[in-house]
Amino acid sequence: KQEVTQIPAALSVPEGENLVLNCSFTDSAIYNLQWFRQDPGKGLTSLLLIQSSQREQTSGRLNASLDKSSGRSTLYIAASQPGDSATYLCAVGSGNTGKLIFGQGTTLQVKP
Amino acid sequence: DAGVIQSPRHEVTEMGQEVTLRCKPISGHNSLFWYRQTMMRGLELLIYFNNNVPIDDSGMPEDRFSAKMPNASFSTLKIQPSEPRDSAVYFCASSLRAGGPVDTQYFGPGTRLTVL
Repeated sequence: KQEVTQIPAALSVPEGENLVLNCSFTDSAIYNLQWFRQDPGKGLTSLLLIQSSQREQTSGRLNASLDKSSGRSTLYIAASQPGDSATYLCAVGSGNTGKLIFGQGTTLQVKP
Repeated sequence: DAGVIQSPRHEVTEMGQEVTLRCKPISGHNSLFWYRQTMMRGLELLIYFNNNVPIDDSGMPEDRFSAKMPNASFSTLKIQPSEPRDSAVYFCASSLRAGGPVDTQYFGPGTRLTVL
């Protein structure tokens, strides 16, 4: 059974810092991996999707990497801003059916 | 596009009552997902549909939960009878393609359910 873990559960950094969020999964036979952002009281917004054949994806200040063999993914946020404060969720796609298994998330606070 | 639409946004009901949550996916999307989010268990997939057909309902917790998708633009999640432990935020999501490579899922704003 696939299990997804995110560490740390919470993170607080000063504005301008570069930071890394971690995601690990137990079964390396994944179809893809997605990173989402969730603001308090809101739904999830997709940030990046990495197919199993890819090693990384970039969007603006965000860069996500994938290492299937070690069961790890990282989300790198460059030059963090207070507006980046949110919960970041990692989700693993197992099989080609669209089914996602989510981690518990990392709650990020960027202080001005 | 209006995105995924869910109603109601908030629902407060008493134990034993029937609850119906509604979802309108993004037009043209072929896959629809129902999730439940709680502090204890995080985000869990309950059921998903491809082309209006339920594919995997293994996440549905009990027979009290049922979901339907009568057409491509509407789905319901029903709880009957409701219990306090059903209190959670329920999300609906849709994606473009049915089967094949997983596509980006677009989430609705969620329905916050409180069962007293």
